[in-house]
Amino acid sequence: EAEVAQSPRYKITEKSQAVAFWCDPISGHATLYWYRQILGQGPELLVQFQDESVVDDSQLPKDRFSAERLKGVDSTLKIQPAELGDSAMYLCASSFHENYGYTFGSGTRLTVV
Amino acid sequence: KQEVTQIPAALSVPEGENLVLNCSFTDSAIYNLQWFRQDPGKGLTSLLLIQSSQREQTSGRLNASLDKSSGRSTLYIAASQPGDSATYLCALRSGGYNKLIFGAGTRLAVHP
Repeated sequence: EAEVAQSPRYKITEKSQAVAFWCDPISGHATLYWYRQILGQGPELLVQFQDESVVDDSQLPKDRFSAERLKGVDSTLKIQPAELGDSAMYLCASSFHENYGYTFGSGTRLTVV
Repeated sequence: KQEVTQIPAALSVPEGENLVLNCSFTDSAIYNLQWFRQDPGKGLTSLLLIQSSQREQTSGRLNASLDKSSGRSTLYIAASQPGDSATYLCALRSGGYNKLIFGAGTRLAVHP
């Protein structure tokens, strides 16, 4: 069964350092999403790509977060500088079409110390 | 603004019980609704997807229903097992948003 790949699984970083997460969606899925999930809460959308274009980044803290999907396939989410409040699970998901369900990756657990 | 609420927040039941998890939403104009399972520290696993034109979906011991007019969905788990212990999240894609909006989840513990 096709999967959404994410790496790393875990990341510990010091405050003010830079950190990056990678996601490879299911082949053929044009839509890619990055979600952030704080412990005990539901995931919240950070950024949505349609192919290589950003279609929704309204909840992305653009002063420190950036995301790209250069060739419309895999994607990178970066945080610089990291803050203590960024500690969370970062989830990537992809979808073939809006009428289809989302498939999520295993996530990256970020701890900022 | 679409809001999704899940009740109860936590549930502990003995093995073998049939149980119902609830999800309510404020805007009935939805494309579809999806139920996910999340094990501690892990990603989300899709359980069931219900399109707006459907009333329910079934997979094994799981049955999910959708009532748009009342803004509700329920996930029914039959004959619960300890392996069902996890957090269950409902999420929906509604008319004005091309993204999934999640509830906070119901944390389920099934004890032997």
